[in-house]
Amino acid sequence: GAVVSQHPSWVICKSGTSVKIECRSLDFQATTMFWYRQFPKQSLMLMATSNEGSKATYEQGVEKDKFLINHASLTLSTLTVTSAHPEDSSFYICSASDRGEGTDTQYFGPGTRLTVL
Amino acid sequence: AQSVTQLGSHVSVSEGALVLLRCNYSSSVPPYLFWYVQYPNQGLQLLLKYTTGATLVKGINGFEAEFKKSETSFHLTKPSAHMSDAAEYFCAVSDRGGGKLIFGQGTELSVKP
Repeated sequence: GAVVSQHPSWVICKSGTSVKIECRSLDFQATTMFWYRQFPKQSLMLMATSNEGSKATYEQGVEKDKFLINHASLTLSTLTVTSAHPEDSSFYICSASDRGEGTDTQYFGPGTRLTVL
Repeated sequence: AQSVTQLGSHVSVSEGALVLLRCNYSSSVPPYLFWYVQYPNQGLQLLLKYTTGATLVKGINGFEAEFKKSETSFHLTKPSAHMSDAAEYFCAVSDRGGGKLIFGQGTELSVKP
């Protein structure tokens, strides 16, 4: 149980284009979903927190107009990187909290590696 | 504000030896504490968590951790390392009910044959 999927697992795009990453909780309803960014050999940095049906809460320093988050249902959240640039290249990981367990435990997706040329 | 410090960015042990990964936290409220493991190019897998109750927590793959409030520590141990334990390990803290995780810098565990 508590499986989170991400799609795509990797993507390469040209500078200036937009990329959408999907995060799904497969066998549970997610109260909250989180989006993280991880640079090589570094820890995870929380980008934003999203609750179903409401606007995402962004961490300080994260551009909300560049990283658009939509949490359309209890099992799906999307992150769109708009007008991507090479500095946006990174490993993006989502996580979801199981509604039945409350918000104490986050289950993580496998990550999406974005490379912007 | 909460924070996590993992002592040692890289730990190397021999197969069969004790694994000890150190984690100290700072929190103004009783914390929820977690250990996650990450294999290359993958997401994070929950090893174990402490919320309330028994301070010695057992997790998957033979790992355990002990919450020591007086030392503000939550060190991860495993009696006997296996080659498959080689990975990156992250300690994390969250506010009760808040859900937001603060991660440590990570510790890379290498296991020598």
